[in-house]
Amino acid sequence: KNQVEQSPQSLIILEGKNCTLQCNYTVSPFSNLRWYKQDTGRGPVSLTIMTFSENTKSNGRYTATLDADTKQSSLHITASQLSDSASYICVVKAGKLIFGQGTTLQVKP
Amino acid sequence: NAGVMQNPRHLVRRRGQEARLRCSPMKGHSHVYWYRQLPEEGLKFMVYLQKENIIDESGMPKERFSAEFPKEGPSILRIQQVVRGDSAAYFCASSPVAGGETQYFGPGTRLLVL
Repeated sequence: KNQVEQSPQSLIILEGKNCTLQCNYTVSPFSNLRWYKQDTGRGPVSLTIMTFSENTKSNGRYTATLDADTKQSSLHITASQLSDSASYICVVKAGKLIFGQGTTLQVKP
Repeated sequence: NAGVMQNPRHLVRRRGQEARLRCSPMKGHSHVYWYRQLPEEGLKFMVYLQKENIIDESGMPKERFSAEFPKEGPSILRIQQVVRGDSAAYFCASSPVAGGETQYFGPGTRLLVL
């Protein structure tokens, strides 16, 4: 069964700190993996997209990694800001898009 | 270039009523996808439409749900005889090409069934 699992389910950090979100998937055939940011009350917005051959990709303070062998991805957020408070969703494309249930991040001042 | 637009943003219905959710894709996009997000759960694919055609409806419940994307006008997700379990956020996404490599999401419609 195609599944995308994310951890932790929720996370609270202080402003300025770093954090790492995890995504494990059991999806076949694998096309690509995306991380989305979903602010409360809004639709998801794409942060990064990674294909099979890419190990890491950055978008400002966001850095995503992909290990296609272990089927794991991580999203690292550096020097967190209050505006980073959101849900972060890992999405794997296998024909159609398979969504993880997200990690809810709260950044406190 | 306006983004994906959905309306209404919030919709309240009583059990047994009909709900109509509208989605206007980004300009130039002819591929539309509908997703449902239940409380505390991830987004689940419902249906993929191209102008006037349903391409993939494998995520749609067999009864009460239907979708269309007419030649003119927005895509419509229609839920007949709503039940409390239909309460969720419904998101529409659009893409310019088939396959949905890059999907742009709308703000969603939050449906509450009383």
